[in-house]
Amino acid sequence: DGGITQSPKYLFRKEGQNVTLSCEQNLNHDAMYWYRQDPGQGLRLIYYSQIVNDFQKGDIAEGYSVSREKKESFPLTVTSAQKNPTAFYLCASSVTTLYTYEQYFGPGTRLTVT
Amino acid sequence: AQTVTQSQPEMSVQEAETVTLSCTYDTSESDYYLFWYKQPPSRQMILVIRQEAYKQQNATENRFSVNFQKAAKSFSLKISDSQLGDAAMYFCALFQGAQKLVFGQGTRLTINP
Repeated sequence: DGGITQSPKYLFRKEGQNVTLSCEQNLNHDAMYWYRQDPGQGLRLIYYSQIVNDFQKGDIAEGYSVSREKKESFPLTVTSAQKNPTAFYLCASSVTTLYTYEQYFGPGTRLTVT
Repeated sequence: AQTVTQSQPEMSVQEAETVTLSCTYDTSESDYYLFWYKQPPSRQMILVIRQEAYKQQNATENRFSVNFQKAAKSFSLKISDSQLGDAAMYFCALFQGAQKLVFGQGTRLTINP
């Protein structure tokens, strides 16, 4: 089955530690995205990548880093510089063609930093 | 800047009835796409329906339909014959180039049996 996997589902870290969230897709999509969702709020874009070895900052990139070494993978690192890292993180991918732009989402990772 | 506004934080409807969720947006472009996503308690985001701005006909997907008013920049979602499984957060989203989706704040829909 094609889809997007995110692991782990729940992640706990101590303050001051970097943590990496995994996102893998087997949909052969070119573009991948990371969003952050806080309680009662919509999704905010952290980073996105349209092709391998290239990525762009979204609206709230400070304190986060990404890499895109393979088409299938787009890991997100939450660094200790992120002041409020506890949130729900969603990864998405899409086919970047002229006629379709819907994004397909993974199941998400709930990160708790104490 | 693109913005998407959902003015109804919460809505409720009786099972089998019809409910309409509101969404307004702001964009200076003439070519864009609009989406409604559903987020059930599992938190998995699921695409409900999409609308291309160049199409005048309103999109429909089974019990889900939209009322797209381009001049008014309005994009409401109508759910007919509401079912218990429709209970979720619903997000309106705007795509306008640069491969970015902009989401509204969401509307929590409750279905009363």
